[in-house]
Amino acid sequence: EAGVAQSPRYKIIEKRQSVAFWCNPISGHATLYWYQQILGQGPKLLIQFQNNGVVDDSQLPKDRFSAERLKGVDSTLKIQPAKLEDSAVYLCASSLDGPYEQYFGPGTRLTVT
Amino acid sequence: DQQVKQNSPSLSVQEGRISILNCDYTNSMFDYFLWYKKYPAEGPTFLISISSIKDKNEDGRFTVFLNKSAKHLSLHIVPSQPGDSAVYFCAASAPGGGADGLTFGKGTHLIIQP
Repeated sequence: EAGVAQSPRYKIIEKRQSVAFWCNPISGHATLYWYQQILGQGPKLLIQFQNNGVVDDSQLPKDRFSAERLKGVDSTLKIQPAKLEDSAVYLCASSLDGPYEQYFGPGTRLTVT
Repeated sequence: DQQVKQNSPSLSVQEGRISILNCDYTNSMFDYFLWYKKYPAEGPTFLISISSIKDKNEDGRFTVFLNKSAKHLSLHIVPSQPGDSAVYFCAASAPGGGADGLTFGKGTHLIIQP
């Protein structure tokens, strides 16, 4: 079974530029999550999708972050414009049902200069 | 406000001995707890979980204990092996309209000494 795929693996941008990350979850997993992990911290939930609907985006900075999961499969997370404090690893996870055994992708390491 | 706390940033244990990683939480609504293991440049990997209706769950060398009254859980690894060297994250989930994203601690870096 293929795992959660993410691209790109690394991205360096200047502040005020925009960036997009892509995630393809495990086949058949209805729930998809995006997490932000700042160096030295644990992952922090940004948004949760159930199929193509948003279940929880309470911690998503909506003035600059947006995410979509149009066909209920893969998802895109965008930052526009980026700030220095957005430097982090962005992790995508998927699960078959509920919080049980969320499977994580390798992450995208974003550096904002 | 940190709802899941791992107060030991690092822990060094000799190979073959028991590793005990601790986690405290403050949100009494949490009802499901998980441990994840993370190697550098990889995403976290699920290790073991426990529901709030249980006080112990065991899977091979890994056992998780939950003390609800103390809002404390621990992960025991017996015996510790070199491949166990990694960062371990404690995570928790609270029910709420299908929103079940995880709240993570800051992690404990476990180092197994040969």
